Amino acid sequence: NAGVTQTPKFQVLKTGQSMTLQCAQDMNHNSMYWYRQDPGMGLRLIYYSASEGTTDKGEVPNGYNVSRLNKREFSLRLESAAPSQTSVYFCASSRSRGGNQPQHFGDGTRLSIL
Amino acid sequence: TQLLEQSPQFLSIQEGENLTVYCNSSSVFSSLQWYRQEPGEGPVLLVTVVTGGEVKKLKRLTFQFGDARKDSSLHITAAQPGDTGLYLCAGGGNAGGTSYGKLTFGQGTILTVHP
Repeated sequence: NAGVTQTPKFQVLKTGQSMTLQCAQDMNHNSMYWYRQDPGMGLRLIYYSASEGTTDKGEVPNGYNVSRLNKREFSLRLESAAPSQTSVYFCASSRSRGGNQPQHFGDGTRLSIL
Repeated sequence: TQLLEQSPQFLSIQEGENLTVYCNSSSVFSSLQWYRQEPGEGPVLLVTVVTGGEVKKLKRLTFQFGDARKDSSLHITAAQPGDTGLYLCAGGGNAGGTSYGKLTFGQGTILTVHP
């Protein structure tokens, strides 16, 4: 019963470094999402993938790129990390794209940019 | 852009008290979902309401979707320390709109229930 698995759980980067956050789901879900969570701001959508082979921008996409590697995996890349990207990042998946579909979340990656 | 205003942001109460959390918007949503999040974990779905005026009960938790599908409330009766956590509301985008397939989250309510 793994659900949504995110790696790594914690990471500290220096400004300008790059890294990729990994996400995999084992529920055969079609849609996957990347969010960031900052104090007092809830969850904000960075990118999403409605189905395998498609990706689209969310509310705060600047500074990020994504890859839907296959149906299971959806990665988030920071090409040149900035202190403003210090946050907790959550990956989620849902059976389909519909607004009524519940989303299943991983436990997050806590990222600090120095 | 759809926005959801959630209030209050913080709530600190004694065990046994009742409380209500509100989510309000000027936008119409296809559904309203409520999630609960504990420290170090991701949000977990509590309930989804989809019909205007719908009321759902989950033990001591009562969820209501506004008649116009623009607002929702979560009421907890006789709160217990185990209810402590971050509560998030999320509105589902409507089919045919730019927000279709996406959730808009409120800012969250941090609830602390003291024994």
